[in-house]
Amino acid sequence: KAGVTQTPRYLIKTRGQQVTLSCSPISGHRSVSWYQQTPGQGLQFLFEYFSETQRNKGNFPGRFSGRQFSNSRSEMNVSTLELGDSALYLCASSLVRDARREQYFGPGTRLTVT
Amino acid sequence: DQQVKQNSPSLSVQEGRISILNCDYTNSMFDYFLWYKKYPAEGPTFLISISSIKDKNEDGRFTVFLNKSAKHLSLHIVPSQPGDSAVYFCAASVTAGTASKLTFGTGTRLQVTL
Repeated sequence: KAGVTQTPRYLIKTRGQQVTLSCSPISGHRSVSWYQQTPGQGLQFLFEYFSETQRNKGNFPGRFSGRQFSNSRSEMNVSTLELGDSALYLCASSLVRDARREQYFGPGTRLTVT
Repeated sequence: DQQVKQNSPSLSVQEGRISILNCDYTNSMFDYFLWYKKYPAEGPTFLISISSIKDKNEDGRFTVFLNKSAKHLSLHIVPSQPGDSAVYFCAASVTAGTASKLTFGTGTRLQVTL
């Protein structure tokens, strides 16, 4: 069974630009969550999608948005990039919406904003 | 505010000895706790979890202890092996309402030396 895949793996953007990251969950998994990892901050929850609907959102500005498609693939978008958005963005999928169930993480997309 | 704290950014342990990784939390609503391990260039992988109705959960070399009154949990690895060298993240969740949202700590880098 293929794991969670994220594309691209690395990305360099300039301040003010926008970026779209993609996540393909494990086949059959319907819940997709996004996290931002920065040094000193750990993993911070961005949002969760289930059945094409955002179910949960973290404390991030409106520049961060996402969506989920009918095949459970998800994208996240960051507009008007700032230097502080440089981070590793991780996507995780799970079979159901249950925090007691294991979430499977992808390798992440490393975003660098210059 | 950091609701889940891992106050030791790094830990070095000799092979064969016990590794103890600590985690403190402030939100008394958290009722489920998980540990994830992360190798460089890979996403975090689930290690072990514990419900707040228990005070101990064991899986092979890994044991998690929960002290609810102190809002403290710890992960014990016995015996430690070089392959355990990784960053360990503690995570917590509220299983009712905001299911599947995990709040992570900042991580502890474990180095197991020969």
